[in-house]
Amino acid sequence: SAVISQKPSRDICQRGTSLTIQCQVDSQVTMMFWYRQQPGQSLTLIATANQGSEATYESGFVIDKFPISRPNLTFSTLTVSNMSPEDSSIYLCSVEIPPGGAFFGQGTRLTVV
Amino acid sequence: GENVEQHPSTLSVQEGDSAVIKCTYSDSASNYFPWYKQELGKGPQLIIDIRSNVGEKKDQRIAVTLNKTAKHFSLHITETQPEDSAVYFCAAPTHSGSARQLTFGSGTQLTVLP
Repeated sequence: SAVISQKPSRDICQRGTSLTIQCQVDSQVTMMFWYRQQPGQSLTLIATANQGSEATYESGFVIDKFPISRPNLTFSTLTVSNMSPEDSSIYLCSVEIPPGGAFFGQGTRLTVV
Repeated sequence: GENVEQHPSTLSVQEGDSAVIKCTYSDSASNYFPWYKQELGKGPQLIIDIRSNVGEKKDQRIAVTLNKTAKHFSLHITETQPEDSAVYFCAAPTHSGSARQLTFGSGTQLTVLP
């Protein structure tokens, strides 16, 4: 397994502003993943973050709204830009640890008012 | 892409009884099927997973079965305890050939009644 730390754990933000969420892993990993979990819902993959290249976004998610950085093999950030109340969700960072299995951070609970 | 359906959405059992949660998937090339437990206010925790080269895997009170022909897999929890109460998610690979990105089922709220 891996220890995955996310900051902040929760935040309340004004609409129109942006929030950057940090994800730190205690070991080097090739890929990091960002998921969204809307209230009472399942998890949806936003994007895959690779070190040294642009993130790969899933259908329905765009870089302008969710820019991602991956400066090294243990760290990534997800920014939620120009927020609206519909962005209120839990945002989760995930990594794959060989020989298999995806592990999650504790999540960032975002409320947009 | 993959489509994962999960049933039931809620499940209540008496302490000591068994609980079964079922999932179906659409991509016949999928080869990795994890199950997650999510407690309130926490991130999902991987509790067991199975690869397509086996039909069943057990870990103490938890087991997962896989039927590749029918494209469904199930989570079995025996001798349930109140601390098993949580939301359980099944998942399958989002993209064929890769087990890294996951598509999740809709979740099952399991309540174990003392």
